[in-house]
Amino acid sequence: GAGVSQSPRYKVAKRGQDVALRCDPISGHVSLFWYQQALGQGPEFLTYFQNEAQLDKSGLPSDRFFAERPEGSVSTLKIQRTQQEDSAVYLCASSLEDRGRGEAFFGQGTRLTVV
Amino acid sequence: GDSVTQMEGPVTLSEEACLTINCTYTATGYPSLFWYVQYPGEGLQLLLKATKADDKGSNKGFEATYRKETTSFHLEKGSVQVSDSAVYFCALSGRGYQKVTFGTGTKLQVIP
Repeated sequence: GAGVSQSPRYKVAKRGQDVALRCDPISGHVSLFWYQQALGQGPEFLTYFQNEAQLDKSGLPSDRFFAERPEGSVSTLKIQRTQQEDSAVYLCASSLEDRGRGEAFFGQGTRLTVV
Repeated sequence: GDSVTQMEGPVTLSEEACLTINCTYTATGYPSLFWYVQYPGEGLQLLLKATKADDKGSNKGFEATYRKETTSFHLEKGSVQVSDSAVYFCALSGRGYQKVTFGTGTKLQVIP
């Protein structure tokens, strides 16, 4: 597709369950970001990849959160032992240039609900 | 650290009314400033941006001017349409890569 694709669109997880969220960036985009958007809030930065290198993971809220982009294209955000406070929309964005310069294109997000 | 403060919503306007959504920021150095829009059921889209002081970003009839002296980037439109109903986010990014810091968003509802 032409845009950033995220799957699944919706995920319901039982507390304590592990989840994996997928992001397919626009083909050829070097930079990839993950954001977390709680209900009624703006997105908050989680982590940044330049190709396969994770250059910044300062926004990951705990060591239960892990992200990877092994071949510099598709990325997966994994959350272990989910908690209710993890309920949010997880947004992925990609941009063509390195260092994140240039316009970032966002996916529609994955809405995670932990019950 | 960097932060963005924008007016709380929801904002309800009649079609063809004037719109202003206030946004102020705190950042070190000279950030780039953005307005993003999120239409119902869709992803975030960049609406406009400004990269240096006194720059004016504009798109789809919306405008915002980068005011360094007041650390503001207010969004304006002279005549809103029903199709402008959405959530608007003010945002900034600092030097280096574009890690974006967002405000909390302002929901705009335009009624016919």
